[in-house]
Amino acid sequence: DSGVTQTPKHLITATGQRVTLRCSPRSGDLSVYWYQQSLDQGLQFLIQYYNGEERAKGNILERFSAQQFPDLHSELNLSSLELGDSALYFCASSVRSLAGSYEQYFGPGTRLTVT
Amino acid sequence: SQELEQSPQSLIVQEGKNLTINCTSSKTLYGLYWYKQKYGEGLIFLMMLQKGGEEKSHEKITAKLDEKKQQSSLHITASQPSHAGIYLCGAPSSGGSNYKLTFGKGTLLTVNP
Repeated sequence: DSGVTQTPKHLITATGQRVTLRCSPRSGDLSVYWYQQSLDQGLQFLIQYYNGEERAKGNILERFSAQQFPDLHSELNLSSLELGDSALYFCASSVRSLAGSYEQYFGPGTRLTVT
Repeated sequence: SQELEQSPQSLIVQEGKNLTINCTSSKTLYGLYWYKQKYGEGLIFLMMLQKGGEEKSHEKITAKLDEKKQQSSLHITASQPSHAGIYLCGAPSSGGSNYKLTFGKGTLLTVNP
């Protein structure tokens, strides 16, 4: 158990709908990262938040948005869903170690199926 | 953009055999992460290498980082069925505070008893 929690575990929805995925980082971790994993694209970075502020963006679609709340949990909002959005969505959190590295720990993921 | 190539793509070994998985970067490596994933499940952090020449071990898994070759290798000694899964390498995009990771496509390891 990495200490990162994600809900829900599975989500099935129809095209055109909107869903919200939730992530709680490990206690004390200020950074939250969102990744998408699909068979054709592999594991891809979407967006990073640090202590409530957006820090970095990857190949995140405009239909997708995220935020990190004062209690440090994060939500990823996916709207106008398409079949191609079906994937595993992971959240990770990190904290700077004494050695200066950032070890990222991943949650169990949310499997999104768009029908 | 940075690309990570893992080899082999898949590997089938007999229990007890040693094996090596490689991860080669198209750009300078500022560190290298190794994760293990069971199909459809979350990624389990194995280890992170920061400096060239660094070598770390966790149980029977050893990883090395060769900065000059922009490559890392993961070596499993005396493999067991519990080692089966997908091994992913990931690298940060820069050496600064932006630690978004780019991942390889993964190596699927099967260990036959």
